[in-house]
Amino acid sequence: AQKVTQAQTEISVVEKEDVTLDCVYETRDTTYYLFWYKQPPSGELVFLIRRNSFDEQNEISGRYSWNFQKSTSSFNFTITASQVVDSAVYFCALSIGSGNTGKLIFGQGTTLQVKP
Amino acid sequence: KAGVTQTPRYLIKTRGQQVTLSCSPISGHRSVSWYQQTPGQGLQFLFEYFSETQRNKGNFPGRFSGRQFSNSRSEMNVSTLELGDSALYLCASSLGPSAGTETQYFGPGTRLLVL
Repeated sequence: AQKVTQAQTEISVVEKEDVTLDCVYETRDTTYYLFWYKQPPSGELVFLIRRNSFDEQNEISGRYSWNFQKSTSSFNFTITASQVVDSAVYFCALSIGSGNTGKLIFGQGTTLQVKP
Repeated sequence: KAGVTQTPRYLIKTRGQQVTLSCSPISGHRSVSWYQQTPGQGLQFLFEYFSETQRNKGNFPGRFSGRQFSNSRSEMNVSTLELGDSALYLCASSLGPSAGTETQYFGPGTRLLVL
């Protein structure tokens, strides 16, 4: 069975601090995709990044970076120099690349509060 | 390009009633998925439609149903509402043919409160 674990329920930081959100996944499939979504108070899930299981290259996008390590089944997300606007709930998700379904399996989410 | 739209945004119903939620995908997207979000259970997959056919279904009772129209718009219906159905219902769309490899884009959700 597939599973995504985000062990950090809530994180609170002061603006300009760096923060890392952890994500650990479980799957026996060799082809899969990992995602991060951001959910601001408005409720909409905003897509941040997608990674496939064959691409372990880390990625950086502005203040955001992602570290994918198959050896530890982790896909961690780091925000550098956090800002108040980063306050939101962040979800890590997994989909299986084989088979004809786009079903996403989500972690429980990490609530990030960035204080001014 | 317009994003995924969902109507209504807010809804209050009483136990035993039924409700229909609507979702319009991004133009050109043919796959629509529905998710239920509650504080206790988190985000759970309800069902997925592609080309008017249900492609996958989550572990929900038969009171939850959906359909997709030829223009890819989708509706979900919940009959005989229970208090536990109070949730944020999120719709997501993707291109469709290779759903497992695609990115799903979400709408703003419909907040349903059952009294």
